[in-house]
Amino acid sequence: DGGITQSPKYLFRKEGQNVTLSCEQNLNHDAMYWYRQDPGQGLRLIYYSQIVNDFQKGDIAEGYSVSREKKESFPLTVTSAQKNPTAFYLCASGTGREGNQPQHFGDGTRLSIL
Amino acid sequence: QKEVEQNSGPLSVPEGAIASLNCTYSDRGSQSFFWYRQYSGKSPELIMSIYSNGDKEDGRFTAQLNKASQYVSLLIRDSQPSDSATYLCAVGANNLFFGTGTRLTVIP
Repeated sequence: DGGITQSPKYLFRKEGQNVTLSCEQNLNHDAMYWYRQDPGQGLRLIYYSQIVNDFQKGDIAEGYSVSREKKESFPLTVTSAQKNPTAFYLCASGTGREGNQPQHFGDGTRLSIL
Repeated sequence: QKEVEQNSGPLSVPEGAIASLNCTYSDRGSQSFFWYRQYSGKSPELIMSIYSNGDKEDGRFTAQLNKASQYVSLLIRDSQPSDSATYLCAVGANNLFFGTGTRLTVIP
């Protein structure tokens, strides 16, 4: 089945540790996105990529890093510089290079601090 | 900063009633408008897209767009308890911007 796969579903980070969240899509979408959602709040854009080997910062990129080496994959690293990483992380993909196409979401990864 | 505003709710309606969810946006250049449904603990699911002024119907859902008033709404007819969720409005310009969502509760 076509879709967006995020792993792991739950992740725990120790102090000073970097962790990487996986996002893979088989929808042949050009664009991929990472959002953070805190309880009772909306989605905040962390990073996005509209083409392989290129990505742009979103509204809250500090403490995060990404790579886009393959069209299908857009992993997010939460670095130790991100002091408040506990949140629900959502990966999305879309067909268009502009914002006029919908985005489709994976099931998300819940990250907590140990 | 492009803004998308939604009433956070909660909005409570009895089963079988019409639920009306509203969204306003600040960027007049916005070209595309989407409604997502998010169940508690789950990821958002696209339920409606609308690109031009007027109404668009899909089953029990109707999206309404008024670009002059910078307003988009979602009507849910014959509301069911399974419609209880948070509904996110998303507006597209050079990127996609999300509102904070309206929590809907359908009371059996």
